[in-house]
Amino acid sequence: KAGVTQTPRYLIKTRGQQVTLSCSPISGHRSVSWYQQTPGQGLQFLFEYFSETQRNKGNFPGRFSGRQFSNSRSEMNVSTLELGDSALYLCASSLSGSSGNTIYFGEGSWLTVV
Amino acid sequence: AQRVTQPEKLLSVFKGAPVELKCNYSYSGSPELFWYVQYSRQRLQLLLRHISRESIKGFTADLNKGETSFHLKKPFAQEEDSAMYYCALSGRGGSEKLVFGKGTKLTVNP
Repeated sequence: KAGVTQTPRYLIKTRGQQVTLSCSPISGHRSVSWYQQTPGQGLQFLFEYFSETQRNKGNFPGRFSGRQFSNSRSEMNVSTLELGDSALYLCASSLSGSSGNTIYFGEGSWLTVV
Repeated sequence: AQRVTQPEKLLSVFKGAPVELKCNYSYSGSPELFWYVQYSRQRLQLLLRHISRESIKGFTADLNKGETSFHLKKPFAQEEDSAMYYCALSGRGGSEKLVFGKGTKLTVNP
């Protein structure tokens, strides 16, 4: 079956702009989570959605937001982009987020802010 | 506070040598511990988790609650083991929040 799919794979934005990243989970998976990966901070949890509800949120400013649709697809949005938002954004999905579920990661969206 | 520490940023061994990637954690309660691996140009993928107590690709990891460690070991390293390895933890009970270490880049030399 198809893995976690993220679009776009690469994008360049200017400071102050906003960006929307999309994630299609593995078919049947209802939990979607997002992570930011940077050389300095490593992998950091952004948020997790299950059945269209945000169930957990990381320590990021309100400029970072997300949502999940009824088909489990998810989007994350970053407004008023800053240079420090340049990162690889990873989406991950699992069946239900319950203990024991395997989490599968997408290839990520590379965001460069100039 | 939840924290995962991987003290070695880089680790280089020769093929056939034993390898140990260190991981220490800080967590209030009983976490689930995982090792994830990222091979060159591939996505991050689960290598093993402590509750399964399994060996994957010859790797094993034992959870030591007294030392709060979850070191990854392999008795005989192979060149194809060269990759980035991340230790991670999550709380039990349904949270999908993974807390990752900064990762260790393992290079297995021929």
